[in-house]
Amino acid sequence: KAGVTQTPRYLIKTRGQQVTLSCSPISGHRSVSWYQQTPGQGLQFLFEYFSETQRNKGNFPGRFSGRQFSNSRSEMNVSTLELGDSALYLCASSFGPGPYEQYFGPGTRLTVT
Amino acid sequence: QQQVKQSPQSLIVQKGGISIINCAYENTAFDYFPWYQQFPGKGPALLIAIRPDVSEKKEGRFTISFNKSAKQFSLHIMDSQPGDSATYFCAAPLLETSGSRLTFGEGTQLTVNP
Repeated sequence: KAGVTQTPRYLIKTRGQQVTLSCSPISGHRSVSWYQQTPGQGLQFLFEYFSETQRNKGNFPGRFSGRQFSNSRSEMNVSTLELGDSALYLCASSFGPGPYEQYFGPGTRLTVT
Repeated sequence: QQQVKQSPQSLIVQKGGISIINCAYENTAFDYFPWYQQFPGKGPALLIAIRPDVSEKKEGRFTISFNKSAKQFSLHIMDSQPGDSATYFCAAPLLETSGSRLTFGEGTQLTVNP
């Protein structure tokens, strides 16, 4: 079974721009969670989607948004990029909603200049 | 906001030694405690997890111990190898006002010297 895929793997953007990241979960998984990881930091929870509905949201500004499609694929969007948004963005999929086994993708490395 | 407190932040062990990483949590939705292993440039990978019906789980050289009364759990890596050098994250299903979700510790960077 194929794992979680994320595209693109690397991205360089300029401050003020916006960016969209994509995540395809493991086949059969309907829940997708997004995390931000910065050097020396843990995994900061952004949001979780299940059946196209946002189930949970972390403590991030409204510039961070996401959505999930009927095929469970998910996208996250960051508008008006700031230098501090430079990070590894990780997507994790699980079979059902909530705090169950999560399987992570390789991440998208975003650099904001 | 509830947290999972993980210690130590970094750990250096000699090859063949035992690596021990500890985590403490507050209120969980239920007893499910996974550990993740992350190598540089990769996403975290599920390493081992313990469920409520046991207080210890062993898979190869990796063992999770769980102390429900103390609200603590730990990862033991026996006969540590240089290939185990990675960052380890514990996680717990903490209760939040918005529901329950998997909350991660801040990570432990393990270095196993040859």
